[in-house]
Amino acid sequence: DAMVIQNPRYQVTQFGKPVTLSCSQTLNHNVMYWYQQKSSQAPKLLFHYYDKDFNNEADTPDNFQSRRPNTSFCFLDIRSPGLGDAAMYLCATSGQGTGTSGSYEQYFGPGTRLTVT
Amino acid sequence: KNEVEQSPQNLTAQEGEFITINCSYSVGISALHWLQQHPGGGIVSLFMLSSGKKKHGRLIATINIQEKHSSLHITASHPRDSAVYICAVQAASKLTFGTGTRLQVTL
Repeated sequence: DAMVIQNPRYQVTQFGKPVTLSCSQTLNHNVMYWYQQKSSQAPKLLFHYYDKDFNNEADTPDNFQSRRPNTSFCFLDIRSPGLGDAAMYLCATSGQGTGTSGSYEQYFGPGTRLTVT
Repeated sequence: KNEVEQSPQNLTAQEGEFITINCSYSVGISALHWLQQHPGGGIVSLFMLSSGKKKHGRLIATINIQEKHSSLHITASHPRDSAVYICAVQAASKLTFGTGTRLQVTL
């Protein structure tokens, strides 16, 4: 089945040690999103890619970076994780086309739960 | 005031009950999404609405664009429906999320 896959599902990293989270999709969607969700809170958009165009949210810390080497894969890099970065990180994709104002469903991955020790 | 407000925040129901979750928003939108999240899990898209009503199994979603209001109904609720239900509104390519309604359905 076509889907959004996130690896790993659980990641433990040390304070200050760089970590990379992975997302892949078989839906051939051109938009990919990274969200951060802390306990009992709504997901917060960090950034999204519209094809290769990177769109950063104004309040996303510089500590968070992203790469999208091709349509299928997108990575979230946390350069120096702090204790406050412990959260669930959700990847989502959407088939929204270029220049359209139409709305498309977002398909979410299962998430990666990051623990910072 | 949040751009997306959900009510109630928490809801407990007995198996078989009819459930309604409400969502109000204050911004212009191109669509409204209802999402489901099980504890510790990822998010599943239930509905995307821009007008009217949609039905999928025991779930029904309605939207009134003029009143900026949407409802999610669950008929004949079951314990497996226990989850957090999130309303999210879409403008351009971005979603703005409500804080969710935590539903617990007991036997």
